[in-house]
Formats: sequence, structure tokens, C-alpha cells
Amino acid sequence: EIVLTQSPGTLSLSPGERATLSCRASENISNNYLAWYQQKPGQAPRLLIYGASSRATGIPDRFSGSGSGTDFTLTISRLEPEDFAVYYCQRYGTSPLITFGQGTRLEIK
Amino acid sequence: EVQLVESGGGLVQPGGSLKLSCVASGFTFNSYSLNWVRQAPGKGLEWVSYISSGSSSIFYADSVKGRFTISRDNAKNSLYLQMDSLRDDDTALYYCATVRSGAFTGWGQGTLVTVSS
Repeated sequence: EIVLTQSPGTLSLSPGERATLSCRASENISNNYLAWYQQKPGQAPRLLIYGASSRATGIPDRFSGSGSGTDFTLTISRLEPEDFAVYYCQRYGTSPLITFGQGTRLEIK
Repeated sequence: EVQLVESGGGLVQPGGSLKLSCVASGFTFNSYSLNWVRQAPGKGLEWVSYISSGSSSIFYADSVKGRFTISRDNAKNSLYLQMDSLRDDDTALYYCATVRSGAFTGWGQGTLVTVSS
């Protein structure tokens, strides 16, 4: 089973700043089957990025994903107040062993 | 617009059973694979089970294998999760989610399952 480790656990930044969130896999993720989700309190998760770097429908272009193999990054270029939330990475694919990272909490500094 | 509405959660004693439902609308239900994902209070996301569009492929997380059964009724646009032999650590908010290009594109608001004596 592939284990995803997200860092940092908590990130404290101010609106307007750039956020960089990391997701490291214990094994190579083939085909870049890596997604990122945003979850706000009391809400269901929302897909942001799939295929490591493709934005989902309706996601602002300040969100971008990059990486391959075992190291992936979610970047929010300029934080808006509504971006403060918990972010999860996910490995998906044809295997049934879908896994999520433990999450990064992005909080207002 | 994709809409998923879960129901069937509640309070159940350890060892008991519950059956969750997820009713879908706004998309061609029988064309999509579906998943159940859960989230324990204050914790992260945990994938539970997957079912393909025609029910030919079904998978479970090790933590629920042999206790939970996923199914769907495409005529009723509905997804189900039969949960037996429930344990305290099954307490969570259970979401259903659609799959597109592998990622989980649509989510319901969840139904809460509490296992406690």
C-alpha cells in the first residue's frame, strides 16, 4: 500500500501570500494518479487537481499542482480568505488501494 | 449539476448493522463508478469501498473487508453500503463520491454513523 505523507501539518500564512503544500509517496505513483482536495469546516471535500497538475472544473488558476514519481506539490499563488482550509492529497488509479494523505491545515496567520 | 444525498446513518451498538444509501441526480448514474469515503470526527479522509458502473468490479479497504458490502441499483440511481459487525472505530461521517478520470469529482454531504453502547 502506498503511504502519502503531507507536509507541513499546519501552515500559517496571510492573505496574499503564496502557499506551498507537499505530498510525498512511499512508492512511485504511476501515471501521475495524484489528486488534491480542499475541505472547509462542515463541508464535503472538493476536487482541486487531478493527474497531478490538471485543474478540476471551476477551480481558479491560482491553484496549481506539480510533481511526479514520489514528490508532488500544491501551490496557491496568492491566498484569498476563502482558501484557508484543510488540503488532502490522494493516490488513485486502477488499483483498489486508494489512499489519502493525512492533510495539511492552512490557517490564517 | 451533480447531486448526491446520503442517508441511513444513526446510532448503533457495537456488533450491530446499518445500511447507508446514496441517491444521485444530475448525471448519468449508470456511467459512473462510485465510492464510499469516511471521516472520523476530527480526523482525515479514509477510502472505504469502490464499485464500478456495472457492479463488475468491487473493492474494499482492509479495515472493512468482510464486514461491509457495497452495491448499487442503477434503475434507482442509488448506491448502498451494508455495514455489519460494526465497531467503535467505524464511527464516522460517510460520504459517497463519483469517480471521473479516477479522481473523486462529486461528493455528497455525508451521513453520520455513531457506533457506541
